[in-house]
Amino acid sequence: DTAVSQTPKYLVTQMGNDKSIKCEQNLGHDTMYWYKQDSKKFLKIMFSYNNKELIINETVPNRFSPKSPDKAHLNLHINSLELGDSAVYFCASSHLQTQSPSSNYGYTFGSGTRLTVV
Amino acid sequence: GQQVMQIPQYQHVQEGEDFTTYCNSSTTLSNIQWYKQRPGGHPVFLIQLVKSGEVKKQKRLTFQFGEAKKNSSLHITATQTTDVGTYFCAVQAYSGAGSYQLTFGKGTKLSVIP
Repeated sequence: DTAVSQTPKYLVTQMGNDKSIKCEQNLGHDTMYWYKQDSKKFLKIMFSYNNKELIINETVPNRFSPKSPDKAHLNLHINSLELGDSAVYFCASSHLQTQSPSSNYGYTFGSGTRLTVV
Repeated sequence: GQQVMQIPQYQHVQEGEDFTTYCNSSTTLSNIQWYKQRPGGHPVFLIQLVKSGEVKKQKRLTFQFGEAKKNSSLHITATQTTDVGTYFCAVQAYSGAGSYQLTFGKGTKLSVIP
């Protein structure tokens, strides 16, 4: 009954490789996100995506690309991996966040993918 | 975008002592959320505060939203070893095209000494 599931949980790969991380949610949420958490535990938004808009954080290199085959899935593809990409990547989902704060709800996070680039 | 400063970065307490973490913003916030991340785990939503001066309680946890909606705090009474983890505040930031994203504070890592 996992609400937001990510695979794989661990990923070790060499520099220059291309890899993908998959994410699926069964909560009926219409917005999904990818966050990167570095070694200092800072959580940084990378992308948010609903069925209408992809919002890309301007600091994310274009080697990172989200792909959403449908509302329940948001996969992360990374090209030409670099050492600095090593981190834990979290997928999350929520109902569409709006300007009305009282109608916003918390995000549900997946268990994370620990990516190590060697 | 919307940013919050969270302090302290680390806190070590003896089991049974109280703990407080603070989030401060230079601008008025529409709402603020709090998350807990256990070691090796993922962030888990705890609560959302919306109203000026709002106070909410969850067992030993007390959450407050400042009157000016520029600061918030999370207070844990009589900490237990199960409280260990990193506590994050998070705020909505407008990201364009009618969309909002959650921006997280840097977190406070709580260690509890048994």
